[in-house]
Amino acid sequence: VQLVESGGGLVQPGVSLRLSCAASGFTFTTYSMNWVRQAPGKGLEWLSYISSSGSTVYYASSVKGRFTISRDNAQNSLYLQMDSLRDEDTAVYYCARDGPASGYYFDFWGQGTLVTVSS
Amino acid sequence: SYELTQPPSVSVSPGQTASITCSGDKLGDKYASWYQHKPGQSPVLVIYQDTKRPSGIPERLSGSNSGNTATLTISGTQAMDEADYYCQAWDSSTGVFGGGTKLTVL
Repeated sequence: VQLVESGGGLVQPGVSLRLSCAASGFTFTTYSMNWVRQAPGKGLEWLSYISSSGSTVYYASSVKGRFTISRDNAQNSLYLQMDSLRDEDTAVYYCARDGPASGYYFDFWGQGTLVTVSS
Repeated sequence: SYELTQPPSVSVSPGQTASITCSGDKLGDKYASWYQHKPGQSPVLVIYQDTKRPSGIPERLSGSNSGNTATLTISGTQAMDEADYYCQAWDSSTGVFGGGTKLTVL
C-alpha cells in the first residue's frame, strides 16, 4: 500500500489550493478515504471522508463549506479542494485509507504534504 | 460536538507498563482506535476496533474500551515506543481525535 500526497506549498490567505493523493498497491475502488491534518505544534485533526464510490462525503465543521473532497477511481486518486484558505489552515495534510468494510479506523497513511498559508 | 480527552503526557521507565487513557461520553459504545506518531513520520495505526492489533504491531501493545474510557497499554515499554499517541473514534459521521499524549520513556 502506498499513498503519496502532493500539491502543498506556500499560499496567501484567501486563495485556493488542491491537494492530491495518489494511491497504489491496493484496489482503490473498494476503499473509503479520508483527509487528516496536523497544524504546527498541534494534534491530529480529521477533516473529511469519502466513500469508495464517492457518493457519500462528510466534513469537519472547521472546513465544511470551504473544502471539498473528491476522488477519481479511474486514476486511483483522492483530492482535497481547499478554498478561502486561512492562516489557521497551515498544517501537514495527510490522506488516510479507511479500514476494510468501513472499519472506523485509518489503516494506512501517506507521508503528508505541507500547506503554509501566510501573507 | 463530541470530544475525546487524553492526558498531555505520560512517563514510564524502560521495561515498565504505560497506560494512556482516552475519555469521551459513552465511548465504550463506539469503536476506538489508537495511532502512534513519531516526529517527521506518518501516523501508524497500532490498535483498531478497541482491541485488535494490525499485522506487525508487537503483542505488548494492547487496547480496551468500556464505559467512558478507552485505554492503550504498553507492556515492557522500550525506547522505541517514545512517541505521541492519539485515540480516535467516530460520532455522528464525524471523525474525532483526542488531543494526543506524549509518551516519554525515561
